Parts: sequence; C-alpha cells; structure tokens
Amino acid sequence: TQLLEQSPQFLSIQEGENLTVYCNSSSVFSSLQWYRQEPGEGPVLLVTVVTGGEVKKLKRLTFQFGDARKDSSLHITAAQPGDTGLYLCAVYNFNKFYFGSGTKLNVKP
Amino acid sequence: DAGVIQSPRHEVTEMGQEVTLRCKPISGHNSLFWYRQTMMRGLELLIYFNNNVPIDDSGMPEDRFSAKMPNASFSTLKIQPSEPRDSAVYFCASNFGWEKSGGYTFGSGTRLTVV
Repeated sequence: TQLLEQSPQFLSIQEGENLTVYCNSSSVFSSLQWYRQEPGEGPVLLVTVVTGGEVKKLKRLTFQFGDARKDSSLHITAAQPGDTGLYLCAVYNFNKFYFGSGTKLNVKP
Repeated sequence: DAGVIQSPRHEVTEMGQEVTLRCKPISGHNSLFWYRQTMMRGLELLIYFNNNVPIDDSGMPEDRFSAKMPNASFSTLKIQPSEPRDSAVYFCASNFGWEKSGGYTFGSGTRLTVV
C-alpha cells in the first residue's frame, strides 16, 4: 500500500482550463511538499505546507493542506503549456521523504 | 550555485558491465540522497548519507548496488554487474540535514540503459 495516493494519474487538458490534483493518505503528517518534474529533469520543489487548512498561492497555483493534515490539493487556474509535467507530493515520515506516484499533466496549446 | 550536478546524463552499457554514477551536492548541504525513478515504481529512495555517513541503505535493491561518499562534495553509486532491470533514471538530491520542511534539491538525473 502506498503511503501517498495521487489522483488522477494522468490529465490532459486544453490551455486555459482549470484543474485540481489530489494527494491523499490515511496518515497524519507534520508537513507536505509539492514538486513539479519536467521531462528530462529532476523534481523541483514548489511549496511546503505545514499547518492544517493552510492555503498557499504561487502565481496561478493554489496549494491546500487538509484540516486533518492527511491530504492536500493543487489547483491550477488557466493552465498553460508550460505547466506540463509530473506533479509529485512528498512527506517526511520515519526519517525519510516519501513521494507519491504523481499526476502526469499535459496542457495542449 | 550550480545546483546538484550529476554525471553522466546518459549511460548505455551492456549487461554485466560495471556502471558508476556520480554526484556533486550543493555546497553546504550535509545530506545526500540517491533515488531511482521508473514508470512502474515511481521515485524510490535507495540510500542516504548525513555528513558523509550512510544512514539508511534499506532501499538498495541488491548487493550489486553500492554507494560511497568519500567527502562532502562527492558521491558515487555503483552497480556491478549491471542487469537490464536496472534501467531507470537515477537521481541525486541534497539538503540541509534533517530540515524537514526545506525539501530536496535534485540533480538532472542519469538515464541508465542496460542492454
């Protein structure tokens, strides 16, 4: 069983559409991170959320940590082709970072 | 800062050959991590070092895999002998010790193909 379940696995949308991807777990975490990985590159940290209910915005990206600190969502407004990539959530648990399997987003022009 | 530097970017080798992947972490970061990424299994932690000392190698798949960190600015991951199922992208990442909220900085990876 995966510690983190991400959904959907794949998402293909047109430029300008909005979307939300999810990261869920049955465990409680002190913090959660979101990364974006572009083809041929390593993941890049986007944000860390630490407080239940916390909302953070990064331009057109809005990140939310669930009140119970078990889940998180990433919402992208007016997606652009440059948003294409693999979105990964990660948590620190038992002295290690664990990554979800990711949501592969393709934004078509 | 140049970031985490990995070499080579691509490696194609024949089954049975020895493969050595290299990593230079960000200067000042005292923890280094080796990950493997495949379509089937996603990102898997292989081993991590803190202050050049291996802390947890439970993710190393087999004795064919070994990793060293002789100093704070260099680490290697070696596979000997290599097998086709070792084909994957191998990432190195670094951060400041046990900083839980700081996240990792990843290198660009080494794409290994074993034929």
